[in-house]
Amino acid sequence: QSALTQPASVSGSPGQSITISCTGTSSDVGSYNYVSWYQQHPGKAPKLMIYEVSNRPSGVSNRFSGSKSGNTASLTISGLQAEDEADYYCSSYTRSSTPYVFGTGTKVTVL
Amino acid sequence: QVQLVESGGGLVKPGGSLRLSCAASGFTFSDYYMSWIRQAPGKGLEWVSYISSSGSTIYYADSVKGRFTISRDNAKNSLYLQMSSLRAEDTAVYYCARDPSITIFPYYYMDVWGKGTTVTVSS
Repeated sequence: QSALTQPASVSGSPGQSITISCTGTSSDVGSYNYVSWYQQHPGKAPKLMIYEVSNRPSGVSNRFSGSKSGNTASLTISGLQAEDEADYYCSSYTRSSTPYVFGTGTKVTVL
Repeated sequence: QVQLVESGGGLVKPGGSLRLSCAASGFTFSDYYMSWIRQAPGKGLEWVSYISSSGSTIYYADSVKGRFTISRDNAKNSLYLQMSSLRAEDTAVYYCARDPSITIFPYYYMDVWGKGTTVTVSS
């Protein structure tokens, strides 16, 4: 099972909005709403930011939002803040031999 | 509070074995699917294995199938990963994580993560 494709890096200035894409196939992102997003700061464990495409866990800022169109899911961070600088990974259920697949990861830089 | 604490990592020679543990607290461990996820140095996340709440359903990534065994002891609130025939490419931080579903089907995302334990495979 190949990893979902994400851009290696995305950057933005404080206050701006950025969008991270996550491209899969009809065997994963395109057919199921089991897409989630994780934030990971250096040396730390991943943190759940979005689940089931667009749902935010309690305690996650509403500046984070998720969506999906076809085989591509997206994470948008609005009102970018310095603390948002981190790596972000998408994940999806997949109907392959293994049920989970992660994205390649995107490094977000706040300029 | 809800917490997962991994242990058992270390330095092991290629071909060797290691058993990782994950101690759960703050929630009813026996209700939840659990997973192991790993991250090689400087690399992305890779899902390794999951086990259902009862232990009756288990899946492995192709990269570890036949070499790793996931198990759980609900009486001890603990998750395990027995790793054998270890290779250099198994070098990674290993995280245990919880799927929030308490039904018979997983939700396919992880809402609670441990801090990880480091496994280094080198001669």
